[in-house]
Amino acid sequence: DARVTQTPRHKVTEMGQEVTMRCQPILGHNTVFWYRQTMMQGLELLAYFRNRAPLDDSGMPKDRFSAEMPDATLATLKIQPSEPRDSAVYFCASGLGTSGLYNEQFFGPGTRLTVL
Amino acid sequence: KNQVEQSPQSLIILEGKNCTLQCNYTVSPFSNLRWYKQDTGRGPVSLTIMTFSENTKSNGRYTATLDADTKQSSLHITASQLSDSASYICVVGSYNTDKLIFGTGTRLQVFP
Repeated sequence: DARVTQTPRHKVTEMGQEVTMRCQPILGHNTVFWYRQTMMQGLELLAYFRNRAPLDDSGMPKDRFSAEMPDATLATLKIQPSEPRDSAVYFCASGLGTSGLYNEQFFGPGTRLTVL
Repeated sequence: KNQVEQSPQSLIILEGKNCTLQCNYTVSPFSNLRWYKQDTGRGPVSLTIMTFSENTKSNGRYTATLDADTKQSSLHITASQLSDSASYICVVGSYNTDKLIFGTGTRLQVFP
């Protein structure tokens, strides 16, 4: 049963600390998305990659957020330094396809981040 | 501005009853519309995807409709079950971009 996996599932940290979230996309998928979900804003796209190349990170606060794909089986989202307003659930999703076509996105279980 | 609006924000129904969730969008150029189900503490799971030429699609007890002229969609749930308690998110895709526009969801609670 192919699934997107994310670690950690929960993270509590103090303001100013670095946070790294990891995602393993479904094997063979070439597109990886990072989303943030809050009660107020719903799901927001932070960044996404195709074939490991970053295509769009306009949704990310550039000064503190960074996203990378060291290899095809790992995507990371890093926040440094973290702030209380970063508290949210962060989802990774993966899919297979070409830009312009509608592609199914499969979501991971999310990382619930709390910044105190 | 591309937007997806859903109504109602929340809904409570009794087990066995039917319900309909609404979605209005202003996304251009329109490519596809999806309904996702999100259980508490989990990621969204796709229920249906419809393109411009499709006006209805079913997945078990879930039936989605699309009117591309009026830019409206609905999700009808038949004979609701306790396990239908979740948030339902309407999502619209546009051509030539992988970015999706998400609604804020309808939270459905089914009581016995």
